[in-house]
Amino acid sequence: AQSVTQLGSHVSVSEGALVLLRCNYSSSVPPYLFWYVQYPNQGLQLLLKYTTGATLVKGINGFEAEFKKSETSFHLTKPSAHMSDAAEYFCAVSLNYGGATNKLIFGTGTLLAVQP
Amino acid sequence: DAMVIQNPRYQVTQFGKPVTLSCSQTLNHNVMYWYQQKSSQAPKLLFHYYDKDFNNEADTPDNFQSRRPNTSFCFLDIRSPGLGDAAMYLCATSRVRGGVGYEQYFGPGTRLTVT
Repeated sequence: AQSVTQLGSHVSVSEGALVLLRCNYSSSVPPYLFWYVQYPNQGLQLLLKYTTGATLVKGINGFEAEFKKSETSFHLTKPSAHMSDAAEYFCAVSLNYGGATNKLIFGTGTLLAVQP
Repeated sequence: DAMVIQNPRYQVTQFGKPVTLSCSQTLNHNVMYWYQQKSSQAPKLLFHYYDKDFNNEADTPDNFQSRRPNTSFCFLDIRSPGLGDAAMYLCATSRVRGGVGYEQYFGPGTRLTVT
């Protein structure tokens, strides 16, 4: 069964510091992996995705993530945090790989705070 | 811009009074999903439509139903809302082609309050 674990429900960084949000997955088949961001009282916005090919994927707002099969990880990073990055971040793995409905299994989320 | 639209953004209903939430999309995606998200939790899938085929999650209460009259619209009906149904309800869509699913696109959500 597929699952996602996000280490750290709350992460606080200073403005300009490196952002590292951790995600580990469990999947019996090659995974599709996603990072979504959610601002207060908003829906989820896709930051980036890994399906196949290059293991380092770049997304919007300067974020990137690296798929590491040996570590079953898909950590999200950004070199320099901005105040506007404060939000909740969800890692997700796709269920029914190659299937008809592409259901997502979400991690429990990481709330990122950015200190001035 | 192509998008997923949810109306209303905020909905207040009374305990036991039926309520309908609306979702529309201009992406022409063939799959539409409804999620329930409670405070500080991950979204929880309630059900989804693949074209006209309805797929209910095993743990979705009977109190929740859905309709998809056409490709663009999908509705979430809560027959008798309880206090525990107060949550953010998210609609999402995705394109499935050739047996391969792609990322989901989410609407802004409807915040439901039950009084």
